Amino acid sequence: NAGVTQTPKFQVLKTGQSMTLQCAQDMNHEYMSWYRQDPGMGLRLIHYSVGAGITDQGEVPNGYNVSRSTTEDFPLRLLSAAPSQTSVYFCASSYSGAGNYGYTFGSGTRLTVV
Amino acid sequence: AQRVTQPEKLLSVFKGAPVELKCNYSYSGSPELFWYVQYSRQRLQLLLRHISRESIKGFTADLNKGETSFHLKKPFAQEEDSAMYYCALKGGGGNKLTFGTGTQLKVEL
Repeated sequence: NAGVTQTPKFQVLKTGQSMTLQCAQDMNHEYMSWYRQDPGMGLRLIHYSVGAGITDQGEVPNGYNVSRSTTEDFPLRLLSAAPSQTSVYFCASSYSGAGNYGYTFGSGTRLTVV
Repeated sequence: AQRVTQPEKLLSVFKGAPVELKCNYSYSGSPELFWYVQYSRQRLQLLLRHISRESIKGFTADLNKGETSFHLKKPFAQEEDSAMYYCALKGGGGNKLTFGTGTQLKVEL
């Protein structure tokens, strides 16, 4: 099992450029989410999905779009990159429902916007 | 609204000393609490779940509903414990996790 796979690992963008961060999981998890990690701020939820075709906003959704066409994939799109989006992005997945399931995280994408 | 507070940004202890990483939460329902650990520049890993009442790598955490706390403890710190530790709460519908701001644990020789 690969778990949660994120690509790319590193990316530098110019202000105004767009890009897609990829996230794929092979554990048949219903729930997937994107977080950004910034120093002193912990992890903040950007968007999440409870299943294919269903997405919702988290705490900091502005400037980001998501879609969930399959159970496995949950890409995060930056529409017009801004320096404030410089961060480390983590994708995570888990089973849904009761059971106190923890998350499985990807290895992260370190994004710099210049 | 749910909130997780980790009051210490950095905790420095000597090897062999006891460790306590503090976590307080605010949530109106029945909380599900977790501790995650992130070693240098690696992915976050699940360390503990309160419902399991387990001990992982010598760490334990007890949910105290009266004090709304879920502190992480270890009796004797090891050098390999140096990492960033995040407390997290699941609630508010679905599987959304709310994270604290994290505590960097540094174990000195």
